[in-house]
Amino acid sequence: GQQVMQIPQYQHVQEGEDFTTYCNSSTTLSNIQWYKQRPGGHPVFLIQLVKSGEVKKQKRLTFQFGEAKKNSSLHITATQTTDVGTYFCAGDSGGGADGLTFGKGTHLIIQP
Amino acid sequence: DTEVTQTPKHLVMGMTNKKSLKCEQHMGHRAMYWYKQKAKKPPELMFVYSYEKLSINESVPSRFSPECPNSSLLNLHLHALQPEDSALYLCASQEGRGHQLIEKLFFGSGTQLSVL
Repeated sequence: GQQVMQIPQYQHVQEGEDFTTYCNSSTTLSNIQWYKQRPGGHPVFLIQLVKSGEVKKQKRLTFQFGEAKKNSSLHITATQTTDVGTYFCAGDSGGGADGLTFGKGTHLIIQP
Repeated sequence: DTEVTQTPKHLVMGMTNKKSLKCEQHMGHRAMYWYKQKAKKPPELMFVYSYEKLSINESVPSRFSPECPNSSLLNLHLHALQPEDSALYLCASQEGRGHQLIEKLFFGSGTQLSVL
């Protein structure tokens, strides 16, 4: 079955430093989605990438989808304490009939 | 209203109890999901309902029984659970209009379940 790998599992950064999490799929994805889960909270949708090589930005967050549509990354510039949480990528191989497969997530810990 | 509402927020039950988790959305979404999430782990898909019909059952034990009474409601009936079933149970909804591309999920805040 489809597998989605995500690294690193944990990332400690000083406030103000940049942060990147990477996602790799064993199969070609029709689209990839990113979610953020705050401690004690529930996953919240951030963005969806569909096109090969696509890059999208949301303020300090930059999302990329690989040319082969098998990998993706999320980069946060100048982290703030509000960025704390777990970032999940979630992939779909297409067809629309199956649920998303979530990566294991990257836990971002920020030291003030 | 862009919310998915789950009740109860917390539940403690014994292994012989029967309980139900409830989920409600009024966004007109036609797909609804149950996920199970252990601490520090990703959500694991349990069930998917599309247009009120069960479309995915990820080999979940029969002690978990889903029900979709109508397009706005989703229940998860629990019976004879085991301590290892303790987890956060998340409901999610999706527009689910049969498009080829899977749309984003709206998650509820979850039910934190403890089985003693």
